[in-house]
Amino acid sequence: DAKTTQPTSMDCAEGRAANLPCNHSTISGNEYVYWYRQIHSQGPQYIIHGLKNNETNEMASLIITEDRKSSTLILPHATLRDTAVYYCIVRVVGTGRRALTFGSGTRLQVQP
Amino acid sequence: NAGVTQTPKFQVLKTGQSMTLQCAQDMNHEYMSWYRQDPGMGLRLIHYSVGAGITDQGEVPNGYNVSRSTTEDFPLRLLSAAPSQTSVYFCASSPEGRDTEAFFGQGTRLTVV
Repeated sequence: DAKTTQPTSMDCAEGRAANLPCNHSTISGNEYVYWYRQIHSQGPQYIIHGLKNNETNEMASLIITEDRKSSTLILPHATLRDTAVYYCIVRVVGTGRRALTFGSGTRLQVQP
Repeated sequence: NAGVTQTPKFQVLKTGQSMTLQCAQDMNHEYMSWYRQDPGMGLRLIHYSVGAGITDQGEVPNGYNVSRSTTEDFPLRLLSAAPSQTSVYFCASSPEGRDTEAFFGQGTRLTVV
């Protein structure tokens, strides 16, 4: 799996967009970018994933650069409940036999 | 729709005791897995199953057993608890072919004294 690099922590004002970057410069052509988050003491929560096109769902948007070496998770209107550790994971799909590697992630603090 | 349900939420064991952590999912997912998370660290895979009757070891399997007799249930057994097994345990399930879209339970916080 390609290595990912994320900032250790970020702050965001409530109601503003939170933009969380992830660098994955060694990503392979068949690897997807996944985002999870873990709210304090809870199990990780899947957010979104993409291969090369931008993706949007009810939780967030994922912007992947054209060269696929970096991506940004966007929470359009952050709320206090979005305070969590956000993990960027790069993986091939469907192997079923390897762990999801969560790394250290970015600790997002949404400020009132 | 309950998703992934883990029981108990909290447990204290004495060294040498055995116990079973329960995990059940109601989404008809083929793939299930167990992770442990130690303070300040990422999740590490203990065991996983790609379907009923099929299990395999993850990164840190020692001291744990699993079985998968039904699609819904994937219990984790601690054979003889040790203080090093003090951790938060998460169970996860995923649809077939989409193992990277995992649904996690709320965790079991285990303390071994």
